[in-house]
Amino acid sequence: AQRVTQPEKLLSVFKGAPVELKCNYSYSGSPELFWYVQYSRQRLQLLLRHISRESIKGFTADLNKGETSFHLKKPFAQEEDSAMYYCALSGGYNKLIFGAGTRLAVHP
Amino acid sequence: DGGITQSPKYLFRKEGQNVTLSCEQNLNHDAMYWYRQDPGQGLRLIYYSQIVNDFQKGDIAEGYSVSREKKESFPLTVTSAQKNPTAFYLCASTEWGGNQPQHFGDGTRLSIL
Repeated sequence: AQRVTQPEKLLSVFKGAPVELKCNYSYSGSPELFWYVQYSRQRLQLLLRHISRESIKGFTADLNKGETSFHLKKPFAQEEDSAMYYCALSGGYNKLIFGAGTRLAVHP
Repeated sequence: DGGITQSPKYLFRKEGQNVTLSCEQNLNHDAMYWYRQDPGQGLRLIYYSQIVNDFQKGDIAEGYSVSREKKESFPLTVTSAQKNPTAFYLCASTEWGGNQPQHFGDGTRLSIL
Protein backbone atom coordinates (compact mmCIF):
# COMPACT_ATOMS: atom_id res chain seq x y z
CA ALA A 1 0.00 0.00 0.00
CA GLN A 2 1.11 3.53 -0.71
CA ARG A 3 1.47 5.50 2.48
CA VAL A 4 3.26 8.50 3.94
CA THR A 5 3.96 8.70 7.66
CA GLN A 6 4.91 11.82 9.55
CA PRO A 7 5.31 10.62 13.13
CA GLU A 8 5.37 14.02 14.83
CA LYS A 9 2.27 16.19 15.01
CA LEU A 10 4.22 19.04 16.59
CA LEU A 11 7.89 19.91 16.61
CA SER A 12 8.86 22.76 18.89
CA VAL A 13 12.37 24.28 18.76
CA PHE A 14 14.16 27.48 19.64
CA LYS A 15 15.47 29.90 17.06
CA GLY A 16 18.89 28.85 15.81
CA ALA A 17 18.42 25.19 16.69
CA PRO A 18 18.62 22.47 14.03
CA VAL A 19 15.36 21.10 12.69
CA GLU A 20 14.51 17.68 11.30
CA LEU A 21 10.95 16.86 10.24
CA LYS A 22 10.60 13.15 9.68
CA CYS A 23 8.87 11.50 6.74
CA ASN A 24 8.72 7.81 5.93
CA TYR A 25 6.97 6.33 2.94
CA SER A 26 5.73 3.03 1.60
CA TYR A 27 5.73 2.67 -2.19
CA SER A 28 6.43 -0.27 -4.46
CA GLY A 29 7.87 1.67 -7.38
CA SER A 30 10.38 4.47 -7.78
CA PRO A 31 9.05 7.26 -5.56
CA GLU A 32 8.63 10.93 -6.33
CA LEU A 33 8.58 12.85 -3.05
CA PHE A 34 7.71 16.40 -2.13
CA TRP A 35 7.56 18.68 0.87
CA TYR A 36 4.72 21.20 0.96
CA VAL A 37 4.42 24.01 3.49
CA GLN A 38 1.48 26.07 4.71
CA TYR A 39 2.33 29.30 6.51
CA SER A 40 -0.31 31.00 8.62
CA ARG A 41 -3.03 32.53 6.42
CA GLN A 42 -1.33 31.39 3.22
CA ARG A 43 -1.94 28.69 0.67
CA LEU A 44 -0.36 25.31 0.72
CA GLN A 45 2.71 25.60 -1.48
CA LEU A 46 5.56 23.47 -2.70
CA LEU A 47 8.74 23.76 -0.65
CA LEU A 48 10.94 21.28 -2.45
CA ARG A 49 10.97 18.03 -4.40
CA HIS A 50 13.58 15.35 -4.23
CA ILE A 51 14.44 15.22 -7.92
CA SER A 52 15.51 18.86 -7.98
CA ARG A 53 17.93 18.39 -5.07
CA GLU A 54 17.63 22.09 -4.25
CA SER A 55 17.94 23.94 -0.98
CA ILE A 56 14.92 26.18 -0.47
CA LYS A 57 14.89 28.70 2.40
CA GLY A 58 17.77 26.73 3.90
CA PHE A 59 15.83 23.45 3.92
CA THR A 60 17.12 20.27 2.33
CA ALA A 61 15.72 16.77 2.06
CA ASP A 62 17.48 13.65 0.92
CA LEU A 63 15.71 10.57 -0.34
CA ASN A 64 16.97 7.46 1.46
CA LYS A 65 15.54 4.48 -0.39
CA GLY A 66 17.08 2.01 2.05
CA GLU A 67 15.28 3.57 5.00
CA THR A 68 12.33 4.72 2.84
CA SER A 69 12.68 8.18 4.31
CA PHE A 70 12.63 11.77 3.06
CA HIS A 71 13.36 13.83 6.15
CA LEU A 72 13.36 17.63 5.92
CA LYS A 73 16.29 19.37 7.57
CA LYS A 74 17.49 22.85 8.33
CA PRO A 75 20.63 23.59 10.36
CA PHE A 76 19.40 26.80 12.01
CA ALA A 77 15.68 27.39 12.45
CA GLN A 78 14.17 30.86 12.06
CA GLU A 79 10.92 32.14 13.54
CA GLU A 80 9.50 32.58 10.04
CA ASP A 81 9.87 28.83 9.50
CA SER A 82 6.92 28.26 11.82
CA ALA A 83 4.29 26.55 9.67
CA MET A 84 2.55 23.27 8.86
CA TYR A 85 4.72 20.93 6.81
CA TYR A 86 3.38 18.06 4.72
CA CYS A 87 5.37 15.30 3.11
CA ALA A 88 3.77 13.92 -0.06
CA LEU A 89 4.35 10.99 -2.37
CA SER A 90 3.33 10.98 -6.02
CA GLY A 91 1.19 7.92 -6.56
CA GLY A 92 0.96 8.06 -10.34
CA TYR A 93 -1.26 10.30 -12.55
CA ASN A 94 0.17 13.24 -10.60
CA LYS A 95 -1.92 12.14 -7.62
CA LEU A 96 -0.41 13.04 -4.27
CA ILE A 97 -0.55 10.98 -1.10
CA PHE A 98 -0.04 13.23 1.89
CA GLY A 99 1.19 12.57 5.37
CA ALA A 100 -0.78 13.89 8.33
CA GLY A 101 1.53 16.89 8.63
CA THR A 102 3.88 18.26 11.26
CA ARG A 103 3.46 21.66 12.81
CA LEU A 104 6.81 23.35 13.34
CA ALA A 105 6.89 26.01 16.04
CA VAL A 106 10.08 28.06 16.30
CA HIS A 107 10.33 30.05 19.51
CA PRO A 108 12.46 33.19 19.97
CA ASP B 1 -3.28 37.50 -9.36
CA GLY B 2 -3.19 34.31 -11.37
CA GLY B 3 -3.67 30.90 -10.00
CA ILE B 4 -6.52 28.95 -8.47
CA THR B 5 -9.63 30.60 -7.08
CA GLN B 6 -11.94 28.75 -4.73
CA SER B 7 -15.31 30.09 -3.65
CA PRO B 8 -16.93 30.61 -1.31
CA LYS B 9 -14.43 30.82 1.51
CA TYR B 10 -17.03 29.63 4.03
CA LEU B 11 -20.11 27.54 3.32
CA PHE B 12 -22.87 26.17 5.49
CA ARG B 13 -25.02 23.18 4.65
CA LYS B 14 -28.37 22.20 6.01
CA GLU B 15 -29.39 18.59 6.52
CA GLY B 16 -30.40 16.93 3.26
CA GLN B 17 -28.97 19.71 1.13
CA ASN B 18 -26.48 19.48 -1.70
CA VAL B 19 -23.88 22.23 -1.93
CA THR B 20 -21.39 23.04 -4.67
CA LEU B 21 -17.87 24.35 -4.16
CA SER B 22 -16.30 26.28 -7.00
CA CYS B 23 -12.74 25.93 -8.28
CA GLU B 24 -11.40 27.96 -11.20
CA GLN B 25 -7.83 28.14 -12.52
CA ASN B 26 -6.20 30.38 -15.10
CA LEU B 27 -2.91 28.50 -15.24
CA ASN B 28 -3.91 26.50 -18.31
CA HIS B 29 -3.31 23.33 -16.33
CA ASP B 30 -4.71 20.07 -17.63
CA ALA B 31 -5.17 18.25 -14.34
CA MET B 32 -7.29 19.32 -11.38
CA TYR B 33 -7.84 17.76 -7.98
CA TRP B 34 -10.08 18.00 -4.92
CA TYR B 35 -8.77 17.20 -1.46
CA ARG B 36 -10.40 17.08 1.92
CA GLN B 37 -8.37 18.24 4.91
CA ASP B 38 -9.29 17.11 8.41
CA PRO B 39 -7.28 17.85 11.57
CA GLY B 40 -4.58 15.26 12.14
CA GLN B 41 -5.27 13.46 8.87
CA GLY B 42 -3.51 15.49 6.25
CA LEU B 43 -5.12 15.80 2.83
CA ARG B 44 -7.15 13.03 1.26
CA LEU B 45 -7.99 12.87 -2.44
CA ILE B 46 -11.68 13.04 -3.34
CA TYR B 47 -11.71 13.28 -7.14
CA TYR B 48 -9.30 14.21 -9.89
CA SER B 49 -9.52 15.06 -13.56
CA GLN B 50 -6.78 14.75 -16.13
CA ILE B 51 -8.66 16.27 -19.08
CA VAL B 52 -11.96 17.92 -19.88
CA ASN B 53 -15.01 15.65 -19.64
CA ASP B 54 -13.09 13.00 -17.76
CA PHE B 55 -12.60 12.44 -14.03
CA GLN B 56 -11.74 9.62 -11.63
CA LYS B 57 -12.56 8.81 -8.04
CA GLY B 58 -9.95 9.32 -5.40
CA ASP B 59 -9.71 7.62 -2.04
CA ILE B 60 -12.84 9.12 -0.45
CA ALA B 61 -15.26 9.83 -3.32
CA GLU B 62 -18.42 8.54 -1.64
CA GLY B 63 -20.95 11.32 -1.11
CA TYR B 64 -19.26 13.66 -3.57
CA SER B 65 -19.64 14.40 -7.28
CA VAL B 66 -17.71 16.50 -9.79
CA SER B 67 -17.86 17.72 -13.37
CA ARG B 68 -15.22 18.96 -15.77
CA GLU B 69 -16.99 20.70 -18.64
CA LYS B 70 -14.28 23.33 -19.07
CA LYS B 71 -10.53 23.12 -18.68
CA GLU B 72 -10.46 25.95 -16.16
CA SER B 73 -13.30 24.77 -13.92
CA PHE B 74 -13.73 21.74 -11.65
CA PRO B 75 -16.70 22.19 -9.27
CA LEU B 76 -17.27 19.78 -6.38
CA THR B 77 -20.74 18.94 -5.13
CA VAL B 78 -21.10 17.67 -1.58
CA THR B 79 -24.29 15.63 -1.61
CA SER B 80 -26.65 14.75 1.21
CA ALA B 81 -25.15 11.26 1.09
CA GLN B 82 -21.96 12.61 2.62
CA LYS B 83 -22.74 12.13 6.31
CA ASN B 84 -19.71 13.94 7.69
CA PRO B 85 -19.09 16.86 5.34
CA THR B 86 -17.63 19.29 7.86
CA ALA B 87 -14.06 19.84 6.66
CA PHE B 88 -11.70 22.11 4.80
CA TYR B 89 -11.71 21.48 1.04
CA LEU B 90 -8.73 22.25 -1.16
CA CYS B 91 -8.61 22.38 -4.94
CA ALA B 92 -5.34 21.96 -6.83
CA SER B 93 -4.12 21.88 -10.40
CA THR B 94 -1.00 20.86 -12.24
CA GLU B 95 0.46 20.50 -15.66
CA TRP B 96 0.08 17.00 -16.90
CA GLY B 97 2.95 14.54 -16.91
CA GLY B 98 6.24 14.07 -15.11
CA ASN B 99 4.91 14.39 -11.56
CA GLN B 100 4.66 18.16 -11.73
CA PRO B 101 4.07 19.99 -8.44
CA GLN B 102 0.51 20.92 -7.62
CA HIS B 103 -0.75 24.47 -7.14
CA PHE B 104 -3.40 24.96 -4.46
CA GLY B 105 -6.28 27.33 -3.87
CA ASP B 106 -7.11 29.03 -0.58
CA GLY B 107 -9.72 26.46 0.33
CA THR B 108 -13.38 26.37 1.34
CA ARG B 109 -14.48 25.58 4.87
CA LEU B 110 -17.78 23.70 4.94
CA SER B 111 -19.83 23.45 8.10
CA ILE B 112 -23.18 21.90 8.99
CA LEU B 113 -25.99 24.06 10.33
